[in-house]
Amino acid sequence: GEDVEQSLFLSVREGDSSVINCTYTDSSSTYLYWYKQEPGAGLQLLTYIFSNMDMKQDQRLTVLLNKKDKHLSLRIADTQTGDSAIYFCAETTDTGGFKTIFGAGTRLFVKA
Amino acid sequence: DSGVTQTPKHLITATGQRVTLRCSPRSGDLSVYWYQQSLDQGLQFLIQYYNGEERAKGNILERFSAQQFPDLHSELNLSSLELGDSALYFCASSVGFAGGNNEQFFGPGTRLTVL
Repeated sequence: GEDVEQSLFLSVREGDSSVINCTYTDSSSTYLYWYKQEPGAGLQLLTYIFSNMDMKQDQRLTVLLNKKDKHLSLRIADTQTGDSAIYFCAETTDTGGFKTIFGAGTRLFVKA
Repeated sequence: DSGVTQTPKHLITATGQRVTLRCSPRSGDLSVYWYQQSLDQGLQFLIQYYNGEERAKGNILERFSAQQFPDLHSELNLSSLELGDSALYFCASSVGFAGGNNEQFFGPGTRLTVL
């Protein structure tokens, strides 16, 4: 079945780059997403990438997609304490019906 | 503000009780999703409705049920509550058409505490 997996925790120092990784199983994914959840709030879309792209850059965020390995990553440059949050990877697929599947989330700790 | 509203914000109840959580989607969105988020399980997809009909089911217990009404708001009913049902329950909405970007907009959540 379809699955999206992420590591649970990542800790970085302020000013360093953070790289959050995600793997998915459905090769027919159309869109892949990164959502951010700040403490006490709902999830909010950070960025997304269409499956025919390899890379997308948006200010401090870089998304890399390796379709062959079914691997998605989010790089945050110059990580700040305000980036501390849970980051969720998600994929939209049409296999067995149109749906979006979320990973369990990676908790990013940024040390000052 | 995502445009998705959820009520109530907090709910405290006892084991064995039944509660109803309510969600109003963003204007124009036809799909509504329910998720449960707990510390040990992470974010779990429960169920999705599209224009009033159930479209997808996730890890939803038989004690839980949901519906989407003609005005597109949705309710999640949780019955015979157990301590382990204590969690944040999120509602999300999306346009929901197949083949496109299915960005979901999340509400602020309802925190349920079962004592």
